Amino acid sequence: QSALTQPASVSGSPGQSITISCTGTSSDVGSYNLVSWYQQHPGKAPKLMIYEVSKRPSGVSNRFSGSKSGNTASLTISGLQAEDEADYYCCSYAGSSTPLVFGGGTKLTVL
Amino acid sequence: EVQLVESGGGLVQPGGSLRLSCAASGFTVSSNYMSWVRQAPGKGLEWVSVIYSGGSTYYADSVKGRFTISRHNSKNTLYLQMNSLRAEDTAVYYCARLNTAGGNAADYWGQGTLVTVSS
Repeated sequence: QSALTQPASVSGSPGQSITISCTGTSSDVGSYNLVSWYQQHPGKAPKLMIYEVSKRPSGVSNRFSGSKSGNTASLTISGLQAEDEADYYCCSYAGSSTPLVFGGGTKLTVL
Repeated sequence: EVQLVESGGGLVQPGGSLRLSCAASGFTVSSNYMSWVRQAPGKGLEWVSVIYSGGSTYYADSVKGRFTISRHNSKNTLYLQMNSLRAEDTAVYYCARLNTAGGNAADYWGQGTLVTVSS
């Protein structure tokens, strides 16, 4: 099972919106509405931001939203804030024997 | 409050063994899907293994035959037995709960424990 493909880095200014793409295959992203997104600050554990493509866990800001089209999922962060600067990972279910397939991660820089 | 606390990491020589533990509180390990995820220094997240509530276990190809995931129900603890360790196994190892009501997403993570394989 290959990793999902994400851009290595994205950047944006405070208040702007950015979108991070996550491309998989018909065996993972394309087959299941089970895409999740994680935020990771340096030295910290990942934090769940989006699950089931577009749902937000309790406590996650509504500035974070997710979507999917075909084999590509996307995470959009609106109204960028300094604290959004972090690494973001997408993840997809790919079957019971491979429940988590991660993307390579995207470093978000808030200019 | 849900909490996961890993322990057992450290420095080990190539070919050696190590057992990681993940003590859970606030929920029952045996009733949930539990996974280990690792992150090599400066690299991304890599899924390692899963144990389902029914007891089925699966592994990433990179660790199959060398690592064993298990749980101790009365201690509410998850384990990862790592044998025949290689330099490329060096990473921070996280345990995580997969939320079956939330698309199997990893909704709770431990703080991680560092495993360094080096002579």
